[in-house]
Amino acid sequence: SQTIHQWPATLVQPVGSPLSLECTVEGTSNPNLYWYRQAAGRGLQLLFYSVGIGQISSEVPQNLSASRPQDRQFILSSKKLLLSDSGFYLCAVDSGGFSYNSPLHFGNGTRLTVT
Amino acid sequence: DAKTTQPPSMDCAEGRAANLPCNHSTISGNEYVYWYRQIHSQGPQYIIHGLKNNETNEMASLIITEDRKSSTLILPHATLRDTAVYYCIVRPSLDSGGGADGLTFGKGTHLIIQP
Repeated sequence: SQTIHQWPATLVQPVGSPLSLECTVEGTSNPNLYWYRQAAGRGLQLLFYSVGIGQISSEVPQNLSASRPQDRQFILSSKKLLLSDSGFYLCAVDSGGFSYNSPLHFGNGTRLTVT
Repeated sequence: DAKTTQPPSMDCAEGRAANLPCNHSTISGNEYVYWYRQIHSQGPQYIIHGLKNNETNEMASLIITEDRKSSTLILPHATLRDTAVYYCIVRPSLDSGGGADGLTFGKGTHLIIQP
């Protein structure tokens, strides 16, 4: 079964500082990887997804970027954080390919507060 | 994408069956119905999914109407730990042109289990 590692669990960063959140996955190969964000009191928003190394699709224009340097590693970054970047960031994975029948599984998330 | 409609909140007594409805009247023939739940401050947890037939696993049962325009998630013996926001999601089909795509979360149903 898949295991998703996200760290850190919580993070407090000042406005204008850089950000790097890392997600690694075990127990699967060639997965599809996703970054979601949940702002306080709001729903889950898909930010990026990746179907393979170096392949990134952005769902929402924003202050963030994503990279996939290895098959099971997904990184979320920002050069300069904004207050509006605060939220609960979740990495998710599914088994990849073009199957209709592949649930997404989520990590435990990183709660980011920009001050 | 097919949209879903869920009641914003529901109550259920502990030990009773919790029946959570979802309307997805614009669902396409090759789209799955997925159910997730999110307990406060945690990442979403996959519960169950189905296409046409009813499905059952260790967590819940999923009943899909014959016309596929609605479904019901059943938690057979609700406990206090089942208090969470439950999301009904229709997953866009994956095809040779689109590659992966994430789940689109709505506002869900806040299920409160009463002792």
